[in-house]
Amino acid sequence: EADIYQTPRYLVIGTGKKITLECSQTMGHDKMYWYQQDPGMELHLIHYSYGVNSTEKGDLSSESTVSRIRTEHFPLTLESARPSHTSQYLCASSHPGTDTQYFGPGTRLTVL
Amino acid sequence: GDSVVQTEGQVLPSEGDSLIVNCSYETTQYPSLFWYVQYPGEGPQLHLKAMKANDKGRNKGFEAMYRKETTSFHLEKDSVQESDSAVYFCALRGRADTGRRALTFGSGTRLQVQP
Repeated sequence: EADIYQTPRYLVIGTGKKITLECSQTMGHDKMYWYQQDPGMELHLIHYSYGVNSTEKGDLSSESTVSRIRTEHFPLTLESARPSHTSQYLCASSHPGTDTQYFGPGTRLTVL
Repeated sequence: GDSVVQTEGQVLPSEGDSLIVNCSYETTQYPSLFWYVQYPGEGPQLHLKAMKANDKGRNKGFEAMYRKETTSFHLEKDSVQESDSAVYFCALRGRADTGRRALTFGSGTRLQVQP
């Protein structure tokens, strides 16, 4: 059973607000990922990290930023939220030497 | 770059029907192949996987054969149940992408089994 957590599960905010989506895992995984899932179900990689102090942009351009100061924590920040940021955000992690990714339950973000 | 194609956006079998969900892939290297399943309100979870050609992944009555000659990894089940209803994603990790180890996902197929 994987232990990866995301908070909040649901967030409704107004345009222009700064938000941080939290993601934590207790498995000691070095690699972590953020995916954006649109209403049509597709998953798009927006950020990933090899380990502490390592972050890279993914395949889909995103105005969000991430940080990796601790192995277990990989927060995603939007400095000024817009309605176009409305989506589901999924965090995942994987262990060295395996291809299996473990996903959190997701944060459903709505920007009004 | 890598790509995964799932041709059906939704399938609506009746309980007890057989099932095939199509998945085709393109990559320049020999990939690892996966099916993930996503239930409502949850993140995707690994359903089954195959690491090399001719491997067969199995889980809960589902099977998928890694076919290099047709670059396919179709998901099959002999008799579906209502509890199988979920969204199924086919995914690959190309061998060239050994650094970030990120997955490339297909667009997903929603399986809704009718009672």
